[in-house]
Amino acid sequence: NAGVTQTPKFQVLKTGQSMTLQCAQDMNHNSMYWYRQDPGMGLRLIYYSASEGTTDKGEVPNGYNVSRLNKREFSLRLESAAPSQTSVYFCASGRLAGGFQETQYFGPGTRLLVL
Amino acid sequence: AQRVTQPEKLLSVFKGAPVELKCNYSYSGSPELFWYVQYSRQRLQLLLRHISRESIKGFTADLNKGETSFHLKKPFAQEEDSAMYYCALKASGETSGSRLTFGEGTQLTVNP
Repeated sequence: NAGVTQTPKFQVLKTGQSMTLQCAQDMNHNSMYWYRQDPGMGLRLIYYSASEGTTDKGEVPNGYNVSRLNKREFSLRLESAAPSQTSVYFCASGRLAGGFQETQYFGPGTRLLVL
Repeated sequence: AQRVTQPEKLLSVFKGAPVELKCNYSYSGSPELFWYVQYSRQRLQLLLRHISRESIKGFTADLNKGETSFHLKKPFAQEEDSAMYYCALKASGETSGSRLTFGEGTQLTVNP
């Protein structure tokens, strides 16, 4: 049981390049999330998917797109990378605990550097 | 819109000393609050949630609606408590697909 996995672990891009960050979970969770972590700003939600087939914007969606490919996989795409997108990206999935409150489980993160 | 504030970016204490990590929130409804922790080279993971009224690894946190706070406390800090701690809020009424709003994080260092 790998939990939440992310690829790649680290990536360097040039401004204007595109890439897709992959995330998969094997816990049969309905909800999946993409966050970015920046020093002094905590984690900010980029996009989330409450269930297979649905996606919604979070706090900082500009410059990103997502795809909920199936229940297991939720990818994040940068169409034209900018230096401001240099960050650590975390994927998470969530399950209800006690019937009403969701616990989120996080992946190991992807470090992205945009030059 | 909700907001979570952790006023201390860095907190340093000695082993055996009490520790309190502050968390304040602003939200007009009835929030659900969490503490997440990230140990060095490990994933972010849930530490505790207010609704469970639990104590995990000696840590407790009480929701004070009057002061809109959810401070994390431990009476005797251990070196293995050194980590980054995040306070997070979930708006009421959300079940699945619940969006968390995180604070900026507090890096706790427990010195020997």
